[in-house]
Amino acid sequence: SQTIHQWPATLVQPVGSPLSLECTVEGTSNPNLYWYRQAAGRGLQLLFYSVGIGQISSEVPQNLSASRPQDRQFILSSKKLLLSDSGFYLCAWMGRGRLGDGYTFGSGTRLTVV
Amino acid sequence: AQSVTQLDSQVPVFEEAPVELRCNYSSSVSVYLFWYVQYPNQGLQLLLKYLSGSTLVESINGFEAEFNKSQTSFHLRKPSVHISDTAEYFCAVSDWDDYKLSFGAGTTVTVRA
Repeated sequence: SQTIHQWPATLVQPVGSPLSLECTVEGTSNPNLYWYRQAAGRGLQLLFYSVGIGQISSEVPQNLSASRPQDRQFILSSKKLLLSDSGFYLCAWMGRGRLGDGYTFGSGTRLTVV
Repeated sequence: AQSVTQLDSQVPVFEEAPVELRCNYSSSVSVYLFWYVQYPNQGLQLLLKYLSGSTLVESINGFEAEFNKSQTSFHLRKPSVHISDTAEYFCAVSDWDDYKLSFGAGTTVTVRA
């Protein structure tokens, strides 16, 4: 069966520090991968998505970046965090060509920038 | 890409009372429709979906949603809620040929005894 792992679960980082959040998927190949952010009262904001290794599409300009070094690994990074980067970050995957299945989400990372 | 509107941001409801969460999307010929539920500090879980066929779809825990093409709506209902239904609910829509889902802003349901 397919599973998605996202870590860490919680993170407190000072302003200006770097960030690396990792997401991996097991039990499938060639998934579409997504990073979302939830800020309080602002719903889900799509940050990045990827349809293949090295292929990253950015939805919102910001100081975050994403990479997909392996087929089932998706990393969200920042060189210098801002207070506004605080939020709940969610990774999700979807089978290639399987839009009717919807997304499967990871358990999320609560990031607090102080 | 689709635009999704969830008309109610907060819905307080008493235990065993019915609840309806409204969802409307921008018009399109062919869409996939989803409802997700998110419990505090957790990821989103798929509650139910509409792909084609019968316009009424049901989940295993008593929720149902009805696809209305003419009104471009996909409202979620439950005839009798439990305390455990307290959560945030997201409506999501996608065109058949898209890579991603468009989400509504979410509706927080708070069930009180």
